[in-house]
Amino acid sequence: NAGVTQTPKFQVLKTGQSMTLQCAQDMNHEYMSWYRQDPGMGLRLIHYSVGAGITDQGEVPNGYNVSRSTTEDFPLRLLSAAPSQTSVYFCASSGGQGGSNYGYTFGSGTRLTVV
Amino acid sequence: GDSVTQMEGPVTLSEEAFLTINCTYTATGYPSLFWYVQYPGEGLQLLLKATKADDKGSNKGFEATYRKETTSFHLEKGSVQVSDSAVYFCALSDDYRDDKIIFGKGTRLHILP
Repeated sequence: NAGVTQTPKFQVLKTGQSMTLQCAQDMNHEYMSWYRQDPGMGLRLIHYSVGAGITDQGEVPNGYNVSRSTTEDFPLRLLSAAPSQTSVYFCASSGGQGGSNYGYTFGSGTRLTVV
Repeated sequence: GDSVTQMEGPVTLSEEAFLTINCTYTATGYPSLFWYVQYPGEGLQLLLKATKADDKGSNKGFEATYRKETTSFHLEKGSVQVSDSAVYFCALSDDYRDDKIIFGKGTRLHILP
């Protein structure tokens, strides 16, 4: 089925470990983004990309890296996990260049716990 | 900067009750407005949208009208069902920077049978 696929669905990390959250979409969307969702905070934008080879920071980028080598994939890397990064992470994509007016398609999320 | 404010939850209603979830926004330009819904354990889904003043978005019995004069986009439904229990997010995209969407903090809705 077409859409946004995130892996893994659940992950537990120890403080200081690194990992990559995967995000792939098969809709040929130019725009992709990563959000984190925390209780009482809504969704906060971490990083986004308007096309292959182009990335930019969002509201809360510290501690996270991204790259966009293909249109389909937009992985999020945690370089040295901290308990403050315990959250649910969502990847989203949208059609068209800077296509937020089209609305986003969201993945089902990755629930990350850092101990 | 641009922002979205929506009523805090949780909101608890009985089945078949009338629903209103308030949303107001601040934007420098002429934003598009959205409502997203998140069912338990799932990602967000676009529920409805409106792209200019006085537009009405509608879907699955939900409606919201873009009111520029009051900078509001309140979500309404005439008769809620247990299956409408979810978290609802109001959001906007600024037409000057339409590369991202700004979300409200979400309103949790509980519908009792």
